[in-house]
Amino acid sequence: SQKIEQNSEALNIQEGKTATLTCNYTNYSPAYLQWYRQDPGRGPVFLLLIRENEKEKRKERLKVTFDTTLKQSLFHITASQPADSATYLCATNNAGNMLTFGGGTRLMVKP
Amino acid sequence: NAGVTQTPKFRVLKTGQSMTLLCAQDMNHEYMYWYRQDPGMGLRLIHYSVGEGTTAKGEVPDGYNVSRLKKQNFLLGLESAAPSQTSVYFCASSILGQGLSNQPQHFGDGTRLSIL
Repeated sequence: SQKIEQNSEALNIQEGKTATLTCNYTNYSPAYLQWYRQDPGRGPVFLLLIRENEKEKRKERLKVTFDTTLKQSLFHITASQPADSATYLCATNNAGNMLTFGGGTRLMVKP
Repeated sequence: NAGVTQTPKFRVLKTGQSMTLLCAQDMNHEYMYWYRQDPGMGLRLIHYSVGEGTTAKGEVPDGYNVSRLKKQNFLLGLESAAPSQTSVYFCASSILGQGLSNQPQHFGDGTRLSIL
């Protein structure tokens, strides 16, 4: 079955810096990779979807890369703000064509 | 436009009791899903539905049943609750696509369930 690894330790950065979160997957080479944001006590909110033939995708201050050789996706937030503080989830399709989610990485942006 | 609404938001049950979690979406989405989220673990798919009147098993279906009698509603049932089912349950929906994973999923805010 698909396995997704995200850093379980919180990432602490200073406001204005670029935050970079890592998502590594094993066992299955996905065609799609999605990133979600989850605030405490709330459901995940979709941010970006990237396909295997897309190396990079951007949306405002967000950038996602998809390296099928390294089996890794990087999620960047440029000019980070305290409002960006949340847990970020990575998800890929699996062999059954359903989504497998990682455990998420908590981002803390300090003013 | 409320999106995905889950009821109740919190519930405490005793072992062996039964209950039904309700999920409603107003986006006319074909696909609906039930996940559970436990500390340190990713969301795990319990059951899903690709349309009215259809249901299918996900990754962790044991101990749960579902029904989708109307397109906008997806119900999750626990027939005999066990402490291992203590979790946060999320419902999600998505539009019709090529499979279940190439479209964004829209989530509700969850039901926090404790089984004593």
